[in-house]
Amino acid sequence: AQSVSQHNHHVILSEAASLELGCNYSYGGTVNLFWYVQYPGQHLQLLLKYFSGDPLVKGIKGFEAEFIKSKFSFNLRKPSVQWSDTAEYFCAVKGYQAGTALIFGKGTTLSVSS
Amino acid sequence: GAVVSQHPSRVICKSGTSVKIECRSLDFQATTMFWYRQFPKQSLMLMATSNEGSKATYEQGVEKDKFLINHASLTLSTLTVTSAHPEDSSFYICSARDLQGDYNEQFFGPGTRLTVL
Repeated sequence: AQSVSQHNHHVILSEAASLELGCNYSYGGTVNLFWYVQYPGQHLQLLLKYFSGDPLVKGIKGFEAEFIKSKFSFNLRKPSVQWSDTAEYFCAVKGYQAGTALIFGKGTTLSVSS
Repeated sequence: GAVVSQHPSRVICKSGTSVKIECRSLDFQATTMFWYRQFPKQSLMLMATSNEGSKATYEQGVEKDKFLINHASLTLSTLTVTSAHPEDSSFYICSARDLQGDYNEQFFGPGTRLTVL
């Protein structure tokens, strides 16, 4: 069955700490991978996406993610978090074909203290 | 950027009544919109795919007679929760795909919090 697993339910960091959020997926076939962020009281926004090419993808606000095909992983990283990064983070996978649905992980809550 | 709105943002209704939620793409046309449901501390679960001018495609386990979807124009899709019960209380989120944009990218609305008493 197709699924996305986010290992960390709640991560608490101090400002300037480094961040890595784990994401593993189970999906047969070629996939597109996404990380979305939901700030408190706001809608989901796309952080970054991987379709093909360089497995290290850079997104907005200093975030990056690395696609490791052999591990079925797409972990999100940021070298130095800020208080404003406090939010809910969702990893999602979609099949390559048009019309396939986005499958989301359960999300990771990141709390950054100043 | 592409903006999707939802109305209302929050609704409280009595058990047995019907509630309509609107999803609009404000600055782009969307032939395809998606409806998700999110429980607390859970992931977004796709309920149905709404296609302009045709019937919606429902995911397995989602009652099509319970959750009526209408996509009458390129900028509006509606979800009607019929004969709502307390177990229908949830956060409903829509997303839309830009007709002119990347078919792999979806833009999300802010969500609608439904509480059924």
